[in-house]
Amino acid sequence: EAGVTQFPSHSVIEKGQTVTLRCDPISGHDNLYWYRRVMGKEIKFLLHFVKESKQDESGMPNNRFLAERTGGTYSTLKVQPAELEDSGVYFCASSQGLRAYEQYFGPGTRLTVT
Amino acid sequence: SQQGEEDPQALSIQEGENATMNCSYKTSINNLQWYRQNSGRGLVHLILIRSNEREKHSGRLRVTLDTSKKSSSLLITASRAADTASYFCATPRGFGNEKLTFGTGTRLTIIP
Repeated sequence: EAGVTQFPSHSVIEKGQTVTLRCDPISGHDNLYWYRRVMGKEIKFLLHFVKESKQDESGMPNNRFLAERTGGTYSTLKVQPAELEDSGVYFCASSQGLRAYEQYFGPGTRLTVT
Repeated sequence: SQQGEEDPQALSIQEGENATMNCSYKTSINNLQWYRQNSGRGLVHLILIRSNEREKHSGRLRVTLDTSKKSSSLLITASRAADTASYFCATPRGFGNEKLTFGTGTRLTIIP
């Protein structure tokens, strides 16, 4: 069974540009989470989807970040316009059922904003 | 300090030695999890210990939990070069107790 996949693995963009990150969860997992780790800091929760609905988006830093999960399958996280402080590694995770807290993480997308 | 704060921040040991990492947290939990991140890779779930458990083993891993001190430790025995990675503790919080709160992690380096 394929794990959580993320695309791209690395993105380098200039300040003010737009970037879209994609996450494909494990097939059948209703829960999808986005986290990010800014350099040297802890991994922070961004938001949680249950199927196509946003269950909790309390960790989204500001309105430059937009997450979608149309159809309840893959998810995208768009940053527009990107700022220098958005640089970091963005992780996606998925989980299912009664063990929703046991999350399977993807390899992450390293975003560098110059 | 942060929920799920690890200590030490960095640790270097010789291959074959044991490595111990500690984690402290602030709020009540019903479980605590440890994850590993190898360079350039995603987070791998290592072990989960529930609040009513004091110790748990998985292969060369031993996790303890002291809810009275709000702390946990991860022991890796007979370390190997492949254990070189960053280790994070995480506690689930939020609606449905699902979203994870991580600490800053311990960077473990195993010297061959």
